[in-house]
Amino acid sequence: SQQGEEDPQALSIQEGENATMNCSYKTSINNLQWYRQNSGRGLVHLILIRSNEREKHSGRLRVTLDTSKKSSSLLITASRAADTASYFCATDQFNSGGSNYKLTFGKGTLLTVNP
Amino acid sequence: NAGVMQNPRHLVRRRGQEARLRCSPMKGHSHVYWYRQLPEEGLKFMVYLQKENIIDESGMPKERFSAEFPKEGPSILRIQQVVRGDSAAYFCASSPSLGDYEQYFGPGTRLTVT
Repeated sequence: SQQGEEDPQALSIQEGENATMNCSYKTSINNLQWYRQNSGRGLVHLILIRSNEREKHSGRLRVTLDTSKKSSSLLITASRAADTASYFCATDQFNSGGSNYKLTFGKGTLLTVNP
Repeated sequence: NAGVMQNPRHLVRRRGQEARLRCSPMKGHSHVYWYRQLPEEGLKFMVYLQKENIIDESGMPKERFSAEFPKEGPSILRIQQVVRGDSAAYFCASSPSLGDYEQYFGPGTRLTVT
């Protein structure tokens, strides 16, 4: 089953507006990470939030985590055309061996920022 | 400090040929992970390796796929007798250790099977 599900699948906004993307997951997690992928390129790590954290900021990015609802949101403020990309959330869980290396990705949200 | 390196960036193979994908982790990173991304999909975990050890290959197809991370040199993902369904982007990631560390991804190898 899909662990991370991003919502919406696609989002189109104007430059300067804020963009909010959501991620829901099914099982308990250790960490949740957000990545950006420009078309045809690799993934760029944006931010990691631990399960005992509720909110984290990095520049124009704000991530929240609600473990009771098994959801996270990524807010990009004052968006720019260069923010146009796909955004993925990835979760990791402790396995039976006590390790948490296996990231589970959703299908992503395609964000288009129009100049 | 160079990031994760992958080569080739693009690889075209005919059905039945072998594909070899290489990954050099970031300096100081001893943990390597391979993921596959099908079109319009998120990344799916394939295998986790440390030097000379396969730790978890639960995401690898049972046949035709193998991975290694030798003592010297890059990690190799090998796909034998490729089929059209193997066409995808293959990403390698590395981390310095286990635990609460980010995985840093390479640019990926886009494999096209004709």
